[in-house]
Amino acid sequence: DAGVTQSPTHLIKTRGQQVTLRCSPKSGHDTVSWYQQALGQGPQFIFQYYEEEERQRGNFPDRFSGHQFPNYSSELNVNALLLGDSALYLCASSLSRNEKLFFGSGTQLSVL
Amino acid sequence: EDKVVQSPLSLVVHEGDTVTLNCSYEVTNFRSLLWYKQEKKAPTFLFMLTSSGIEKKSGRLSSILDKKELFSILNITATQTGDSAVYLCAVCQGGSEKLVFGKGTKLTVNP
Repeated sequence: DAGVTQSPTHLIKTRGQQVTLRCSPKSGHDTVSWYQQALGQGPQFIFQYYEEEERQRGNFPDRFSGHQFPNYSSELNVNALLLGDSALYLCASSLSRNEKLFFGSGTQLSVL
Repeated sequence: EDKVVQSPLSLVVHEGDTVTLNCSYEVTNFRSLLWYKQEKKAPTFLFMLTSSGIEKKSGRLSSILDKKELFSILNITATQTGDSAVYLCAVCQGGSEKLVFGKGTKLTVNP
């Protein structure tokens, strides 16, 4: 049983560029959440997707957008990258209305 | 604003020691508190607590929640080098599945 998988594992971009991160949830899970973890900090909630719609959003600008596909996989898009966007981006999946999250290994994004 | 504060931020112990990690929180409409272990990248689930006074146990790890005083502790007995990791505490608000995390406690267990 595959857990949560994310791709790519590492990414280097320059300021102003756009990036797309991908996530496949754990088998049987229908809800995907995205978190940003800066160095030395705890993960911060970006948004959550369920039934292909954004159900809840954290305090992140509109440059951060997402999508969920019919097979429950998800993408996180970040436009107009800033140096401060450098972080580990974690995807987590769960059953609907269940707060027990299962995390992937993340995508380490470096913005130069 | 919901807040989770963990202490200490960093801890170095020797194998065999017992450690206590602390987590205090302020959240409106508390639903649950969760502990995760983050060794490299992926946080892995340890415990979820919803009721005060009920201790959760898994081998050498245990955790308890005090909803009156708004804190939780995670105990690790007979520590091993494999326990070295960042331990994250998170709270969940009612009506939501969003987790608010603390900064974590970095535990280093030396042989």
